Amino acid sequence: KQEVTQIPAALSVPEGENLVLNCSFTDSAIYNLQWFRQDPGKGLTSLLLIQSSQREQTSGRLNASLDKSSGRSTLYIAASQPGDSATYLCAVNNNAGNMLTFGGGTRLMVKP
Amino acid sequence: SAVISQKPSRDICQRGTSLTIQCQVDSQVTMMFWYRQQPGQSLTLIATANQGSEATYESGFVIDKFPISRPNLTFSTLTVSNMSPEDSSIYLCSVVVTYEQYFGPGTRLTVT
Repeated sequence: KQEVTQIPAALSVPEGENLVLNCSFTDSAIYNLQWFRQDPGKGLTSLLLIQSSQREQTSGRLNASLDKSSGRSTLYIAASQPGDSATYLCAVNNNAGNMLTFGGGTRLMVKP
Repeated sequence: SAVISQKPSRDICQRGTSLTIQCQVDSQVTMMFWYRQQPGQSLTLIATANQGSEATYESGFVIDKFPISRPNLTFSTLTVSNMSPEDSSIYLCSVVVTYEQYFGPGTRLTVT
């Protein structure tokens, strides 16, 4: 059974810092991995999707990497802004009908 | 991409009653997914709904408690039956489009 872990559970940084969020998974036979953002009381916004054959994906100030063999992914946020404050969720698709297994999330606070 | 709407956005219900949540997608999709997010927790898959067949439920979720309908390729409903305070959660529907999973805004349910 796939298990997904995110470290740290919470992170507080001053505005402008570059930061890294970590995600690990136990079953490396994944189809793809997706990073989401969730604002308090809201739904999920897809940030980046990495297919199993890819090593990284970039969107603006966000860069996600994938090391499938070691069961790890990182989300790098450059030049953080207060508007980046949210919970970031990592989810893995093992192609079992496209269902996702989610990590516990990292709650990020960027202070002005 | 996909645009997903859910109704209601939130509700407060009494113990023992039932609530039906609607999910509408702006394009035809084969599979729709229903997730639950309990307070302070990550997302857990309840069931996968395919049009024209019965939903497939994950371990710990049963049809009598969470009946699902999928009358066409753009719409699904999830009913939370005989509610108890433990059912207080955010319920989210999602779809997969070109390998990427998209989520609705969620329905915040409080059971008193």
